[in-house]
This record gives sequence, C-alpha cells and structure tokens, in this order.
Amino acid sequence: EVQLLESGGGLVQPGGSLRLSCAASGFTFTNYAIRWVRQAPGKGLEWVSAISGGGSITYYADSVKGRFTVSRDNSKNTVYLQMNSLRAEDTGVYYCARRLPSFAMDVWGQGTTVTVSS
Amino acid sequence: QSALTQPPSASGSPGQSVAISCTGTSSDVGGYNYVSWYQQHPGKAPKLMIYEVSKRPSGVPDRFSGSKSGNTASLTVSGLQAEDEADYYCSSYTDSNNLGLFGGGTKLTVL
Repeated sequence: EVQLLESGGGLVQPGGSLRLSCAASGFTFTNYAIRWVRQAPGKGLEWVSAISGGGSITYYADSVKGRFTVSRDNSKNTVYLQMNSLRAEDTGVYYCARRLPSFAMDVWGQGTTVTVSS
Repeated sequence: QSALTQPPSASGSPGQSVAISCTGTSSDVGGYNYVSWYQQHPGKAPKLMIYEVSKRPSGVPDRFSGSKSGNTASLTVSGLQAEDEADYYCSSYTDSNNLGLFGGGTKLTVL
C-alpha cells in the first residue's frame, strides 16, 4: 500500500524547534518530490516546503524561509522538516504529500499537529 | 503571493449538481493545465479529486468533474450525496513561485 506517515509534532514554546518526519512506503521513493502543507486551526491549506526526489532542490514559502529546512534520507525513505524559531502562527496540522509531475498531490499523510504556545 | 479565489460556501440538495469556481490569473490557472482539486472532510487529510484540470484519479466517482475557461477553473459535483459534504480546495501551478497556489477553500453543504 502506498503510504506516507508523519510524526514529530507536539507542543513547543515560541522560539523553540521541532523536527517532523515523513516516512514513505509502497512506492519508489526517489522518483517523487515531496511537499509539506500546513493548515492552521479553522483555516485553509498553505504550502510550506518542497524537496525534489534526489534531495538537491528545495523550496520554501516566504513565511518559513530562513527558519525551516527540508531534507530527505532516501536510504530510509524519509523526509524531514526541521523547524526553528517557531512562532505562534506556525501552529497547525502539518501534512506531507507526494507530488505528481502535474504538480498535483496524490498521496497524503494523516498529518501531525504542531502547537506553538507558552 | 495571492491565493486563488473560491467562494466560501456552496450548497445543493441530494441529487442536484453544484459547481465550485476557482479564479486565478494568466500566470497560473489561465496559463497552465495544472489545476487540481482536493476534498477534505473534518479532521481528515485532503484527498485528490481532480488533476490536470479534468482528470480523475482511480477510485474517484465520475460524479466529480473538472473544467477550465480562461482564468477560472471549476469543479462540478453531480448527483450530490450526503458524503460529498466537505471542504474543497483548488490548487494551481504558477510561474510566480516554485510552490504553487491554493484557493481559500469552499465549504460544500448538502441540504
């Protein structure tokens, strides 16, 4: 079964750090770019970051640039999102998703919740 | 970067059809056939319903269809069923950034 599974969310104080993981199974991992999408409570979807299949190309939303770093370990079929200098506005559910060549996201994880609060 | 424009809400009775619009610009929706639509039930992850404007992934009922005219894409749900009640988001490739754009979402209510 094709699957993505996020982990690593939790409660963190403003200015703190978290590392999210996205573990993939059921498909050839290196063939796909992976994206992170977040959703603040009661709000819509927002792109966060993306990484190419080989890991050499990364993109970030302006709202997280300089604070978040995306990486991947293709030997472990896992993508990571290192989040530093966290702010209250980073609170939400973080999803990882597999990107098709047509830029659509066809496989999504179940999400992991990040809460930034003192 | 501005989001794509969707109506905040839409509704229809069981069996009826409803269309949800997604308006962008010539730099995104109008310029490329890379529009996708996602369904999200409360507390669940989004699910891909339409990609490349009008293509349906395997397993998505043919009651769901997509189209585009100029800078506006549309998702049409025919033969509305109770389980279609959900939030729907459009997304498009854009030449203005490397991540793409999302619409603000439309809450579909089945009356």
